[in-house]
Amino acid sequence: DAGVIQSPRHEVTEMGQEVTLRCKLISGHNSLFWYRQTMMRGLELLIYFNNNVPIDDSGMPEDRFSAKMPNASFSTLKIQPSEPRDSAVYFCASSFGQEAYNSPLHFGNGTRLTVT
Amino acid sequence: GDSVTQMEGPVTLSEEAFLTINCTYTATGYPSLFWYVQYPGEGLQLLLKATKADDKGSNKGFEATYRKETTSFHLEKGSVQVSDSAVYFCALSDIAGGFKTIFGAGTRLFVKA
Repeated sequence: DAGVIQSPRHEVTEMGQEVTLRCKLISGHNSLFWYRQTMMRGLELLIYFNNNVPIDDSGMPEDRFSAKMPNASFSTLKIQPSEPRDSAVYFCASSFGQEAYNSPLHFGNGTRLTVT
Repeated sequence: GDSVTQMEGPVTLSEEAFLTINCTYTATGYPSLFWYVQYPGEGLQLLLKATKADDKGSNKGFEATYRKETTSFHLEKGSVQVSDSAVYFCALSDIAGGFKTIFGAGTRLFVKA
């Protein structure tokens, strides 16, 4: 069974450019989470969806960040325009269950973003 | 709000040594507790979990007991191996917090041969 798949694995871009990160959930999972990991701030929850609906986006840093879930198995995180302080590893994770708070997260291998 | 505090690393041990990584939490409700492990270049993966007081989660020789009275969930292993070198994250998920999982800062473990 394929796990959570993220692309690209690495992205290097210049300040001001648009960046799109992609995530394919595990088949049948109904919750999707985007996290950002840095040395300084650790793991930060950016946004999460349940059954394709955004539930809480209070962790999204600012309007430059947006996330979508066009269908039950796929999500994108877009940064426009990108800035050097956005450099981090971005993870998506999915889970399944009626009692979602009880269900463990399944993480992808992350996208390492470098903005120069 | 909910939070997780775990001991700072790095923790450096010799092979076959005993491991303890401390974790305490604050939560408004009755959370489920988790330990995740992250190997270099990979995402986090679930190591073990416990969903109610006095439950013991265990996997691959690691174990942790849900202690409600001390709001703790310390990770232990009796004999570590070089292959256990990784970053370990304590986490909680609380129905009062919706679907969120809150992570601690992570503790890096180095095991020397």
